[in-house]
Amino acid sequence: DAKTTQPPSMDCAEGRAANLPCNHSTISGNEYVYWYRQIHSQGPQYIIHGLKNNETNEMASLIITEDRKSSTLILPHATLRDTAVYYCLRGYGNKLVFGAGTILRVKS
Amino acid sequence: EPEVTQTPSHQVTQMGQEVILRCVPISNHLYFYWYRQILGQKVEFLVSFYNNEISEKSEIFDDQFSVERPDGSNFTLKIRSTKLEDSAMYFCASSEALGLDSRENEQYFGPGTRLTVT
Repeated sequence: DAKTTQPPSMDCAEGRAANLPCNHSTISGNEYVYWYRQIHSQGPQYIIHGLKNNETNEMASLIITEDRKSSTLILPHATLRDTAVYYCLRGYGNKLVFGAGTILRVKS
Repeated sequence: EPEVTQTPSHQVTQMGQEVILRCVPISNHLYFYWYRQILGQKVEFLVSFYNNEISEKSEIFDDQFSVERPDGSNFTLKIRSTKLEDSAMYFCASSEALGLDSRENEQYFGPGTRLTVT
């Protein structure tokens, strides 16, 4: 049970921002929200994680709602190479529990 | 940038044979993991390992599976008697810290070994 809900797929135009939503309404106070992506059966790639404050790194930004029940991963300028499956996960012990994720297709 | 490496990239074996999948985690990481992904399905946790002991394992990780850190750099997954349903991509991962409810514990994955059991 991944305990997060994501749309199955999304499209984004190249150069535009990609905003990927995730619902984690039952998240507990000490659980982080993690985002990974998987490009065509390669190993999952860590993107970003956060607890309650918004986070930004060289890959993406993570916006977490004040009630922590949902979050949005933002890829500010999507490229064709960002086409992948994006997974939103909750901190859960020391194992990552993957769901089906969101297939993001970046189109030129 | 340091990365997790895995060998071989593709392993073909006959049912009933033993296979050993190898991983070299990132050098200063202390926690190691194996995951698998059957074609078209989700990535599934198999086992985590720390201080030469298994710290957590899933239901998939039965007596046919074992893990070992034989030296200071390698981390291996052994399947004693492979079955057709063991065919999958096997991913090794490592992290600096333990526990997904703390700050510095993102897991970094290797490129995977594709295991095909015939």
